[in-house]
Amino acid sequence: GAGVSQTPSNKVTEKGKYVELRCDPISGHTALYWYRQSLGQGPEFLIYFQGTGAADDSGLPNDRFFAVRPEGSVSTLKIQRTERGDSAVYLCASSLGAGTEQYFGPGTRLTVT
Amino acid sequence: AQRVTQPEKLLSVFKGAPVELKCNYSYSGSPELFWYVQYSRQRLQLLLRHISRESIKGFTADLNKGETSFHLKKPFAQEEDSAMYYCALLLHNFNKFYFGSGTKLNVKP
Repeated sequence: GAGVSQTPSNKVTEKGKYVELRCDPISGHTALYWYRQSLGQGPEFLIYFQGTGAADDSGLPNDRFFAVRPEGSVSTLKIQRTERGDSAVYLCASSLGAGTEQYFGPGTRLTVT
Repeated sequence: AQRVTQPEKLLSVFKGAPVELKCNYSYSGSPELFWYVQYSRQRLQLLLRHISRESIKGFTADLNKGETSFHLKKPFAQEEDSAMYYCALLLHNFNKFYFGSGTKLNVKP
């Protein structure tokens, strides 16, 4: 079946602009995670959804970052007033439930110029 | 605080040689540890988790609570093992995963 998909695969934006990154999890997966991966680093936890609610958003770096999952399926990560330091690969993962095997998407490479 | 440490950024071995990728963690509770792998141009995928105690693609990893380590081992490396390997720690109470910075394994012919 289809795996986790993320769109766009690449996004180049100017400093100060707003961006939205989309994640389509595997059907039936209730848990959804967002990570940020900077060059030379491992994935860094941003936020975890269980169903529609954000169960843990402690990894969001500041209030410019926000994520939603209104129907418990597709999720959107929103970044306001982008900064060059936001440049990274943003990964989404889904799993059947909390703490079970995560299936990762291919990531969105965000470049802020 | 760094919860997962992978001290080697790059590990190069010859085909057929043993390989050990190191992972140390810091957590006072009951940890659950994983190894994830990312082959070239592919997405990150689970390799193995300590609770299953499986051998996947010839790799094994033993959780050593005394040394807070979860090193990944394979007795005879193959060229197709070349990839990025990430160790990850799950904190069940918080359903959060912490990843190490990764080790690039290069298996030379």
